Amino acid sequence: NAGVTQTPKFQVLKTGQSMTLQCAQDMNHEYMSWYRQDPGMGLRLIHYSVGAGITDQGEVPNGYNVSRSTTEDFPLRLLSAAPSQTSVYFCASSPLGRGSKSGELFFGEGSRLTVL
Amino acid sequence: AQSVTQLGSHVSVSEGALVLLRCNYSSSVPPYLFWYVQYPNQGLQLLLKYTTGATLVKGINGFEAEFKKSETSFHLTKPSAHMSDAAEYFCAVTSLDMRFGAGTRLTVKP
Repeated sequence: NAGVTQTPKFQVLKTGQSMTLQCAQDMNHEYMSWYRQDPGMGLRLIHYSVGAGITDQGEVPNGYNVSRSTTEDFPLRLLSAAPSQTSVYFCASSPLGRGSKSGELFFGEGSRLTVL
Repeated sequence: AQSVTQLGSHVSVSEGALVLLRCNYSSSVPPYLFWYVQYPNQGLQLLLKYTTGATLVKGINGFEAEFKKSETSFHLTKPSAHMSDAAEYFCAVTSLDMRFGAGTRLTVKP
């Protein structure tokens, strides 16, 4: 079972470069989200989507864009990478709503991004 | 808005000893509460969750947690630690979006 798949697993960028982190899920979940994980800060919500064509901002959206053209895919774009965006990024999905009353989030294995 | 505070960024126990990881939350509405575990270089996996009903919830790998509304707490316990329990543990609360604590790294000494 694939679940939530993230690519790439590792990426090194130079300041100012752009890139897209890919996320795909095969569970037909309506809700998808992106978190970043930094030491001592837990996971912070970047953007989320409650269905195709619908996205919204989380706690730390600045510097990131998302789109949701299909139920399966939820890419995260960095338009001009900065060293402060060095982090581990996790995509997560959930079957209902905003991941709230639905309960469990299903996580990908993470993408480690370094910005020099 | 909801938030989570995990007391202690690092906890170290001996194999066979009690594990206690502390979590306090704040939420303006009745919360749903979760504990997730993260092993090195992996994503998070659900250990257990409290939604409604029984306040003592049991999860995988022998872990359990008790929801105490009066104390706004949801501490995670396991009676006897195993080496394989070494990981990072995250408490999370949700009313609209899921918010995570900063995490507690559990070390188990032989």
